[in-house]
Amino acid sequence: GESVGLHLPTLSVQEGDNSIINCAYSNSASDYFIWYKQESGKGPQFIIDIRSNMDKRQGQRVTVLLNKTVKHLSLQIAATQPGDSAVYFCAEVPTAKKVTFGTGTKLQVIP
Amino acid sequence: GAVVSQHPSWVICKSGTSVKIECRSLDFQATTMFWYRQFPKQSLMLMATSNEGSKATYEQGVEKDKFLINHASLTLSTLTVTSAHPEDSSFYICSARDHSEKLFFGSGTQLSVL
Repeated sequence: GESVGLHLPTLSVQEGDNSIINCAYSNSASDYFIWYKQESGKGPQFIIDIRSNMDKRQGQRVTVLLNKTVKHLSLQIAATQPGDSAVYFCAEVPTAKKVTFGTGTKLQVIP
Repeated sequence: GAVVSQHPSWVICKSGTSVKIECRSLDFQATTMFWYRQFPKQSLMLMATSNEGSKATYEQGVEKDKFLINHASLTLSTLTVTSAHPEDSSFYICSARDHSEKLFFGSGTQLSVL
């Protein structure tokens, strides 16, 4: 379940615009996915999750889309705010197996 | 959502000393907890899986005698970094799953070894 350490890709977005953060997963048997937000010096914070029997799930200002055909997950943040600046991770959770994390994307919101 | 409490949030210690980090699930029972290490600008690296009442399962390359894990109750797991050295300096994070499989994280511990 470990993710190889890499330098994080960065997404810069103007305040008020929508953000789309993408994640590719590897295990076609994964049936549960989670998005996390991690601010500097803090632990990851649960944002939203989705199970494999769904294609889309909406929360407050966030939407997660799941495309099982191409094993792709995305997180959409509406009306991005400065407080959304953080690193965002996706996690895939195969049943009874270890969680695997994506490498993360750093979101920078430009005021 | 469920709460995982991690303590301390930061610690500075001298080389050769041992440091204990606690991870508690506050409002749910966790038979399994996880310990991660994170370097700056990198993703989480799973160190070990902590199992209540049994030995922890360590990932390849993680020294079990260096990183002692104890999971004595359904709400508490501890990670002890023994004989810490500067290369052990890092951000350590624990996590636990609730009954719905959601994975919640502690706030992390920044360890600095002088």
